Amino acid sequence: DAKTTQPTSMDCAEGRAANLPCNHSTISGNEYVYWYRQIHSQGPQYIIHGLKNNETNEMASLIITEDRKSSTLILPHATLRDTAVYYCIVKDTDKLIFGTGTRLQVFP
Amino acid sequence: DGGITQSPKYLFRKEGQNVTLSCEQNLNHDAMYWYRQDPGQGLRLIYYSQIVNDFQKGDIAEGYSVSREKKESFPLTVTSAQKNPTAFYLCASSGVPAGGSYNEQFFGPGTRLTVL
Repeated sequence: DAKTTQPTSMDCAEGRAANLPCNHSTISGNEYVYWYRQIHSQGPQYIIHGLKNNETNEMASLIITEDRKSSTLILPHATLRDTAVYYCIVKDTDKLIFGTGTRLQVFP
Repeated sequence: DGGITQSPKYLFRKEGQNVTLSCEQNLNHDAMYWYRQDPGQGLRLIYYSQIVNDFQKGDIAEGYSVSREKKESFPLTVTSAQKNPTAFYLCASSGVPAGGSYNEQFFGPGTRLTVL
């Protein structure tokens, strides 16, 4: 079973920041948090990952709470092409366990 | 261009027939994976292989078989024993992590299998 909980769906206006929350209250000390996204009928795409510290790359920022029980993926300026299902994953050994994710709809 | 290819994109088969899905990568990755996705659901791991001539069962391996004779190829056979084979099948690959660091998984475009 997935070790994360995410809202089923979210909306965001184009150009605004999209903040996608994830709860992972049972995460253990050496487990990373990963984010992937899947645009309709395509393979998932890696976005970002982190352990304790906040992370930023060209796609997004990842904010992890100090107790590591939750995190937030931030898309700073959402575009229509960011409409997708976003998966928050806590890595189980060498396998990725996908939940049902958050369906983000970016509207004009 | 480097990447993962899956063919065909759409596949139709009659019930009771075995069918083999192709997955090829030219990324020089050691690890390869097969996932199944049903409508509105996340991905579930079928089989994975971290090195040539070796593979492990994932969470839903029953009714499926794989082989890993070459580094770049990881074909999946959906057998007649799979009770509900109609689904979207995704193949992925990754480099083997070094020193505990994580290597992202790269996914192919998927094959949509429909069993009639």
